[in-house]
Amino acid sequence: AQRVTQPEKLLSVFKGAPVELKCNYSYSGSPELFWYVQYSRQRLQLLLRHISRESIKGFTADLNKGETSFHLKKPFAQEEDSAMYYCALKDGNNRLAFGKGNQVVVIP
Amino acid sequence: NAGVTQTPKFQVLKTGQSMTLQCAQDMNHEYMSWYRQDPGMGLRLIHYSVGAGITDQGEVPNGYNVSRSTTEDFPLRLLSAAPSQTSVYFCASSWGQLNSPLHFGNGTRLTVT
Repeated sequence: AQRVTQPEKLLSVFKGAPVELKCNYSYSGSPELFWYVQYSRQRLQLLLRHISRESIKGFTADLNKGETSFHLKKPFAQEEDSAMYYCALKDGNNRLAFGKGNQVVVIP
Repeated sequence: NAGVTQTPKFQVLKTGQSMTLQCAQDMNHEYMSWYRQDPGMGLRLIHYSVGAGITDQGEVPNGYNVSRSTTEDFPLRLLSAAPSQTSVYFCASSWGQLNSPLHFGNGTRLTVT
């Protein structure tokens, strides 16, 4: 079975500082990895998927198969980045397994 | 398009009561799923469906039933509610391709007393 680990529950950063959210996974197949974000009082929404290799709202994430990681990074945090972030892995049956999430608080 | 619609938004049940959480999507997605979100636990998969007439168990299926009689609807039934089922429930849907992202509903906050 697949597993997704997000080690830090709460991350506080100052506005303008870099943000890195760690995500490690274990899965025997070829992973499909995603980052989802949940802003206050809003539904979960897709932030990034590894296959797209794009930058969304200044965030990037690189899949490192050797380290089985998919860390999320942003060079300069903004106040509107305060949210809950979930790393997720989709298996061959299309089931999405989530990590426990990171609460990010950006301090003005 | 309304996307994924969940009803009700809030519900309070007494232990032993039954209820159905409704989920509907208008995107013609093959895949639908139910998650529960608990503090410190992330989102855990309850049940999922890869198409009408097909359902399967996720990580935490006990105490819940589902059915998928149409592509659009995927209700979640609690047959005999327990306090451990107090949670926020999210329905989500996607296309069948592996790299397709999930589209989530707004969630149902359930309290069982």
